[in-house]
Amino acid sequence: LAKTTQPISMDSYEGQEVNITCSHNNIATNDYITWYQQFPSQGPRFIIQGYKTKVTNEVASLFIPADRKSSTLSLPRVSLSDTAVYYCLVGDMKAGTALIFGKGTTLSVSS
Amino acid sequence: DSGVTQTPKHLITATGQRVTLRCSPRSGDLSVYWYQQSLDQGLQFLIQYYNGEERAKGNILERFSAQQFPDLHSELNLSSLELGDSALYFCASSVEGQGRTGELFFGEGSRLTVL
Repeated sequence: LAKTTQPISMDSYEGQEVNITCSHNNIATNDYITWYQQFPSQGPRFIIQGYKTKVTNEVASLFIPADRKSSTLSLPRVSLSDTAVYYCLVGDMKAGTALIFGKGTTLSVSS
Repeated sequence: DSGVTQTPKHLITATGQRVTLRCSPRSGDLSVYWYQQSLDQGLQFLIQYYNGEERAKGNILERFSAQQFPDLHSELNLSSLELGDSALYFCASSVEGQGRTGELFFGEGSRLTVL
């Protein structure tokens, strides 16, 4: 299983762009990178998933360099409601390795 | 609303007792996953079922068991409960097609308190 390392916490202010980086040095060829968001006492919610280069959706962007040993979740113009824990998962759904959540990054957004 | 339904939402019981948590996956999803989240252990993967069969196993205790029924709903049975079993138990589901990608859809969780 690819081990992931994320910062434990980050602080930001409303309106700023936030970038959370995840390190996964031993990512396997078939592994995808997936990010989830979790609010207190709620189940995690899927944000974005990618394999290489850049993926963008309506809420975030995911940047993956060519060596795939890290990835960066970018949240544009955060608001107070983006205060949550963000998890980076690396694995293969078919092989069942994309199921392990690490400790995540607690993002605190202030006004 | 993720489409995943978990019952009960809250449960209070005593040590040594047995409880059953129920999960109904999203319509069409064949895979069900169980997770335990406690303050000191984070989100721990317990077990996955795919179309009625066990697919992957995580840190599930021998006192815990699960199954997925023909209608695809799943139950997690926790027995000989200990204080440390107090946690939020999440169920998630996914389509689990042939591909390596996919996302987990989580329910709202069942909060178990063992006194």
